[in-house]
Amino acid sequence: EPEVTQTPSHQVTQMGQEVILRCVPISNHLYFYWYRQILGQKVEFLVSFYNNEISEKSEIFDDQFSVERPDGSNFTLKIRSTKLEDSAMYFCASSARDDYGYTFGSGTRLTVV
Amino acid sequence: GENVEQHPSTLSVQEGDSAVIKCTYSDSASNYFPWYKQELGKGPQLIIDIRSNVGEKKDQRIAVTLNKTAKHFSLHITETQPEDSAVYFCAATSSGGYQKVTFGTGTKLQVIP
Repeated sequence: EPEVTQTPSHQVTQMGQEVILRCVPISNHLYFYWYRQILGQKVEFLVSFYNNEISEKSEIFDDQFSVERPDGSNFTLKIRSTKLEDSAMYFCASSARDDYGYTFGSGTRLTVV
Repeated sequence: GENVEQHPSTLSVQEGDSAVIKCTYSDSASNYFPWYKQELGKGPQLIIDIRSNVGEKKDQRIAVTLNKTAKHFSLHITETQPEDSAVYFCAATSSGGYQKVTFGTGTKLQVIP
């Protein structure tokens, strides 16, 4: 069964450093998303991406965040200057249509120290 | 924006019994309601979904019901098994755009053998 692949599975970074979280969505999917989940809390929307541009973003997704699809397969989330409160599980997801359920990756656990 | 409430936060049932998780949503424009199962250390996995033109949907031991008037929807798991133990999230979204899914707060289901 097709999977969404995320790397790394765990990233530890110093506060103020830049991090890039990587995702390989399912190959024939057109819609891409990043969500995050702070430990023990619900899954929160960050951003959706379609046709090489951001289609919607949440208030969490401020100027410190950016997304990119640099080639036909990868989808990245960059945090420019990490804060302690950015520590969370970050999930990438993709879908074939905009009215269809997502396939999530297994997530990247980001720890900011 | 959309707000999704989910109850209960934890649920313990004996193996073979039924489990019911209930959600409410606030945005009357929402028309797609997926349910996700999250096992420890993994991303959420879509297990069933329902659209607003349908009142009930069943897939083997899992069923979802939707009451659009009351803005309620529920997940029913019958003949529960230990492998059903996980965190379950309800969600709501409106299509016709780039769906931003709003998740509920999650229900930790424990099935006791």
